[in-house]
Amino acid sequence: GAGVSQSPSNKVTEKGKDVELRCDPISGHTALYWYRQSLGQGLEFLIYFQGNSAPDKSGLPSDRFSAERTGGSVSTLTIQRTQQEDSAVYLCASSLSRQPHYEQYFGPGTRLTVT
Amino acid sequence: AQTVTQSQPEMSVQEAETVTLSCTYDTSESNYYLFWYKQPPSRQMILVIRQEAYKQQNATENRFSVNFQKAAKSFSLKISDSQLGDTAMYFCAFIITSGTYKYIFGTGTRLKVLA
Repeated sequence: GAGVSQSPSNKVTEKGKDVELRCDPISGHTALYWYRQSLGQGLEFLIYFQGNSAPDKSGLPSDRFSAERTGGSVSTLTIQRTQQEDSAVYLCASSLSRQPHYEQYFGPGTRLTVT
Repeated sequence: AQTVTQSQPEMSVQEAETVTLSCTYDTSESNYYLFWYKQPPSRQMILVIRQEAYKQQNATENRFSVNFQKAAKSFSLKISDSQLGDTAMYFCAFIITSGTYKYIFGTGTRLKVLA
């Protein structure tokens, strides 16, 4: 079946503009994660959704970052007033459940460049 | 603070040889899972192997095995009979499952398998 998809694959934006990144998880996966991968860095956890529960926003780096998940499926990560340090690859992953023995399946990522 | 350290930014190995990627981590928590993920060039991140911290037996998946030393907080990955398709960035990670889950990734080791 289809894997996790993300759009756009690349996004170039000017400093100060808002951007929206989209993630389509695998059908039936209740858990959805957003990570940020900066050059030379590991993955940084941003936010996690599980079903209808309140999201775990503990990894969001500032209040310019927000995310929502509509209907328990598609998720959008929004970055307001983008800064150059926001340039990174944003990865989305989904799993059947948040329990760690369920594998996270990753999307191809969105490469964000802030000029 | 929870951290993962991968001290080898880059490694190379001859095809058919064996290579070991190192990973150390730091946490005061007792409940966690450890993972190795593989990110091939321009391709999506995939799970290589998973280890439950409460299990003493080292996990194995075909040519991939781990050496889990809980007291030393070490979790190395051994790749036997290396293949060209093993060329990728490898990330060590752990998920803490005490209370609010925490997802911690290392900075990665870039492995190149030479023909």
